[in-house]
Amino acid sequence: QKEVEQDPGPLSVPEGAIVSLNCTYSNSAFQYFMWYRQYSRKGPELLMYTYSSGNKEDGRFTAQVDKSSKYISLFIRDSQPSDSATYLCAMSKNAGNMLTFGGGTRLMVKP
Amino acid sequence: EADIYQTPRYLVIGTGKKITLECSQTMGHDKMYWYQQDPGMELHLIHYSYGVNSTEKGDLSSESTVSRIRTEHFPLTLESARPSHTSQYLCASSAAGTGWNEQFFGPGTRLTVL
Repeated sequence: QKEVEQDPGPLSVPEGAIVSLNCTYSNSAFQYFMWYRQYSRKGPELLMYTYSSGNKEDGRFTAQVDKSSKYISLFIRDSQPSDSATYLCAMSKNAGNMLTFGGGTRLMVKP
Repeated sequence: EADIYQTPRYLVIGTGKKITLECSQTMGHDKMYWYQQDPGMELHLIHYSYGVNSTEKGDLSSESTVSRIRTEHFPLTLESARPSHTSQYLCASSAAGTGWNEQFFGPGTRLTVL
């Protein structure tokens, strides 16, 4: 079993929809949780970062962490065609930056 | 945009050739990483370095080798390329320190071994 599971998609939504992207993980030692966005033929770029449990909001993006369920989510409000990309969750056990990635969910937002 | 560069962006090469994938960053980061990413799959860490003359193998076994002679430069070498090495290779860097620091990624090198 992989340490971090993520539905590969693709997830296709109309413009303006609310998108929910999720990851589950098995190792309770993970404390730092990240969401990266990767456009085609580009490297990943950090979208959101949270430590331990709770919510974090940044513009149209909200990251949620539920450590009791070992489940993290990224919500995108008012989705735009420019949000079309692969979204990777990543997590680490400490601040040493050794990241464990999910396989990514491909999102397509149609105009 | 992160100042981390990878060359070449695309490489098609025959079996048995020696190749070096270049990675450079201008952010003065001490920590650098190499990941391997197959299409639709997660990134796997193959090498990392916490500073000059420091290199370690990552979670995924790889026949590649790395060196860190200068802070800004972290090349990856395959002595004899094979079709199983076909993949995307991503380089990343992050600042040192006791707290969590973001990893910045380069654009990747897409390697095809025929």
